[in-house]
Amino acid sequence: DIVMTQSPDSLTVSLGERATINCKSSHSLLFSSNNKNYLAWYQQKPGQPPKLLIYWASTRESGVPDRFSGSGSGTDFTLTISSLQAEDVAVYYCQQYYSTPPYTFGQGTKLEI
Amino acid sequence: EVQLVDSGGGLVQPGRSLRLSCAASGFTFDDYAMHWVRQGPGKGLEWVSGISWNSGSIAYADSVKGRFTISRDNAKNSLYLQMNSLRAEDTAFYYCVKATSPHHLSPIFDYWGQGTLVTVSS
Repeated sequence: DIVMTQSPDSLTVSLGERATINCKSSHSLLFSSNNKNYLAWYQQKPGQPPKLLIYWASTRESGVPDRFSGSGSGTDFTLTISSLQAEDVAVYYCQQYYSTPPYTFGQGTKLEI
Repeated sequence: EVQLVDSGGGLVQPGRSLRLSCAASGFTFDDYAMHWVRQGPGKGLEWVSGISWNSGSIAYADSVKGRFTISRDNAKNSLYLQMNSLRAEDTAFYYCVKATSPHHLSPIFDYWGQGTLVTVSS
């Protein structure tokens, strides 16, 4: 199984500052035939289900503010929130959907202000 | 508006069975694969099972293989998870999740239900 490891486990950032969350995969998520990275990011606020933010490592889901961006390729990925807002307090998960199951998630990063 | 309404959770003794349901609306249900993802209390996310648009392809996590059965009824816009031989470690919120493609492989999970809590305890 592909293991996803996020860092840090928790993060405290001031309002308006940049937040950076890292995700490392035990196997490359880059599919050579289409040059796409099979990596998604989700946001989960307290008491709510996860919400899709980013897929294909860097494509923002419709309606997601542009302060959220994804980058990286192969085994190393980053979610960046350019200017933290109060409503961004949440747990963030990366997920790989490369090839066959199981589709695994990182352990989560708790973002606080 | 896409809606996924999970139901069927509850308190059940170890070794017993439970059937979860998910009622979908707001999209063409039989155009998309569907999945179940669970989350233990205060824990992370674990993919459980996925089913293709026509039920022709199904996959399970090793932790539930042989005990859980996923199914769907496209005429009723519904997804199900039959859970047998339940264990304490199956205790979790179970989310019904829509994928962005018809096939269960390589899923991007774009809509999630609110979740239904399954507690396995004597």
